[in-house]
Amino acid sequence: KAGVTQTPRYLIKTRGQQVTLSCSPISGHRSVSWYQQTPGQGLQFLFEYFSETQRNKGNFPGRFSGRQFSNSRSEMNVSTLELGDSALYLCASSLVRGSENTEAFFGQGTRLTVV
Amino acid sequence: AQKVTQAQTEISVVEKEDVTLDCVYETRDTTYYLFWYKQPPSGELVFLIRRNSFDEQNEISGRYSWNFQKSTSSFNFTITASQVVDSAVYFCALSEARAAGNKLTFGGGTRVLVKP
Repeated sequence: KAGVTQTPRYLIKTRGQQVTLSCSPISGHRSVSWYQQTPGQGLQFLFEYFSETQRNKGNFPGRFSGRQFSNSRSEMNVSTLELGDSALYLCASSLVRGSENTEAFFGQGTRLTVV
Repeated sequence: AQKVTQAQTEISVVEKEDVTLDCVYETRDTTYYLFWYKQPPSGELVFLIRRNSFDEQNEISGRYSWNFQKSTSSFNFTITASQVVDSAVYFCALSEARAAGNKLTFGGGTRVLVKP
C-alpha cells in the first residue's frame, strides 16, 4: 500500500511569490491534515480537510489556504510568501472511523525555502 | 486549551542503554487521544502508538514500551536496549475528541542520540 505522497520535495521561492504544495493520501483515507514544522515553533497544525470541506483550522493568517478534491487529494497554497514561511510542510492522512480520532500517517514533507 | 510538554530537548545514550522520554499533557476534554511519533533525519513522521483516554494499560511492542498515567497526565515512552537506529527526534502528541477531527497538538520533541 502506497504511503502519503507529497510533491514537490524541495522548493525555493522568492518573497512575495505564491506556492502550491500537493498531497496524495493513503488509499481509503479521507481526512488530510497539513502541518508546518520550523526550528522555532515546532510542529504546528495548519488545517484539516474531510470530504472536500475544511473541518479544522489552526492559527495561521489567511495567506495559508487549502482545498481537497473528490479523490481526497489535497493542495495547500501560500500567497505573498514571507521569509518566515520557510519550513518543512507535512501532510498527513487518516482513516475516518466514526467519532474516533485515528492515527495520522505522514508524508516526507515539502521543504520550502523563501529567499 | 490543549498543551503537550516534552521537557527533555535532547538525550544522549550509549548503545544498549535504556532511555525514557517524558511527555506531560494538558486538556479539558474527557475523551482524548495520545500519540508518539518518530522523526528520523529523512523528515517523515513515523507513527508509533495511539492511546485513548479510557485505556490506561501500559503497552509493550518489542523494545518499545509506553506508560500512560492519567493521574499525572503523563504518557512516557521507554526504549529498552537502545540501538543506533533509534537515533531520531521523538514527538508526543494529543488530539481532543471534541475537536471533531484529527487535529494534533505536538510537544516540542526530544532528540535521542544513540552512540555506538
